[in-house]
Amino acid sequence: DSGVTQTPKHLITATGQRVTLRCSPRSGDLSVYWYQQSLDQGLQFLIQYYNGEERAKGNILERFSAQQFPDLHSELNLSSLELGDSALYFCASSVMQGARYGYTFGSGTRLTVV
Amino acid sequence: GENVEQHPSTLSVQEGDSAVIKCTYSDSASNYFPWYKQELGKRPQLIIDIRSNVGEKKDQRIAVTLNKTAKHFSLHITETQPEDSAVYFCGGGSEKLVFGKGMKLTVNP
Repeated sequence: DSGVTQTPKHLITATGQRVTLRCSPRSGDLSVYWYQQSLDQGLQFLIQYYNGEERAKGNILERFSAQQFPDLHSELNLSSLELGDSALYFCASSVMQGARYGYTFGSGTRLTVV
Repeated sequence: GENVEQHPSTLSVQEGDSAVIKCTYSDSASNYFPWYKQELGKRPQLIIDIRSNVGEKKDQRIAVTLNKTAKHFSLHITETQPEDSAVYFCGGGSEKLVFGKGMKLTVNP
């Protein structure tokens, strides 16, 4: 167990629907990062939060949004889902903002859009 | 923007051989370079990392080298074992990590 908790582990939904993925960082970690991993693709950076504030955005679609709550857990909201959104979504956390602190990944949420 | 490229995308070796994975990065401000191992269906796990003020780091059978001038870094695995079979990702960055597309390593017994 890495200490980073992601729920649910699996999600199957239909096109056009909206889902929410949840991430609880390791105790004491203030930064949360979201990554998307599609088949044969690497880890694509989506968005970063630090202590409740958005700090960096990557290739995140306008249909996707995220937030980090006062208790530091984060949620990634995916709406108007398309088949191409099927992927593994990973959350990672680190103690502070900045790559040099290292990331710990959660076990991911596998999203299947049918 | 920031970019990390990794090659080769697949590598197959015989047990006991060495494996080398190479990555290049574009952002000169990058100061941290981790390597993650991801087994099928599981989360990426950190196996070794190197910071920009160090040229080489070793941990048992794995070693990483960094050439800041050329903006490339490499992972070396010696005496490979079947359990080393996985996808390996290199990462680089300063504010956030950008990852390469991964390399699938297969170690044949």
